[in-house]
Amino acid sequence: ETGVTQTPRHLVMGMTNKKSLKCEQHLGHNAMYWYKQSAKKPLELMFVYNFKEQTENNSVPSRFSPECPNSSHLFLHLHTLQPEDSALYLCASSQDGTSGDEQYFGPGTRLTVT
Amino acid sequence: GENVEQHPSTLSVQEGDSAVIKCTYSDSASNYFPWYKQELGKRPQLIIDIRSNVGEKKDQRIAVTLNKTAKHFSLHITETQPEDSAVYFCAASKRGRDDKIIFGKGTRLHILP
Repeated sequence: ETGVTQTPRHLVMGMTNKKSLKCEQHLGHNAMYWYKQSAKKPLELMFVYNFKEQTENNSVPSRFSPECPNSSHLFLHLHTLQPEDSALYLCASSQDGTSGDEQYFGPGTRLTVT
Repeated sequence: GENVEQHPSTLSVQEGDSAVIKCTYSDSASNYFPWYKQELGKRPQLIIDIRSNVGEKKDQRIAVTLNKTAKHFSLHITETQPEDSAVYFCAASKRGRDDKIIFGKGTRLHILP
């Protein structure tokens, strides 16, 4: 399955580090999403981009900064994270961001903040 | 905003028996209800979905029912098999470009041999 890819697959970072997660979709979709999956809140929507425009920021702390340079790529820039930010970060894409679109998920990045 | 409740959080079923997972939603305007399956260590994948103009949909061993009046929908898996063991997520959303999809907290289904 190579429709939605994410790198890196695993990341360990200190609280003072700056890192970025990358997502790429090869499905010709126009909407991309970032989700946080943790034991406490499975599949928590963080950001939505429709046609490269951010249409949703679900009260996410500013230490998470998304970037969508084009409809195929999505980044999540991380800085000064907290241990509670450790989770699986899933990227997804859908045809055009309207509800009623199937979301295709990437394999996720397992993030550990030390 | 929309709120989706999912029950049970864990379900153990004997192989060959049926499993039922239930979800309720709060926004009566929601009109799209997908179910995702996430196997251990893998990404969530859509297994079935239903729209508000339909009361039931079936695909081989899985079916979904929707009761718009009561605002609840259910996933039914018949003749369960070991490969059905996974976490299942329900979700609800309403039509609109900027409307977001809200997921339930998931149900961990164990198929017992």
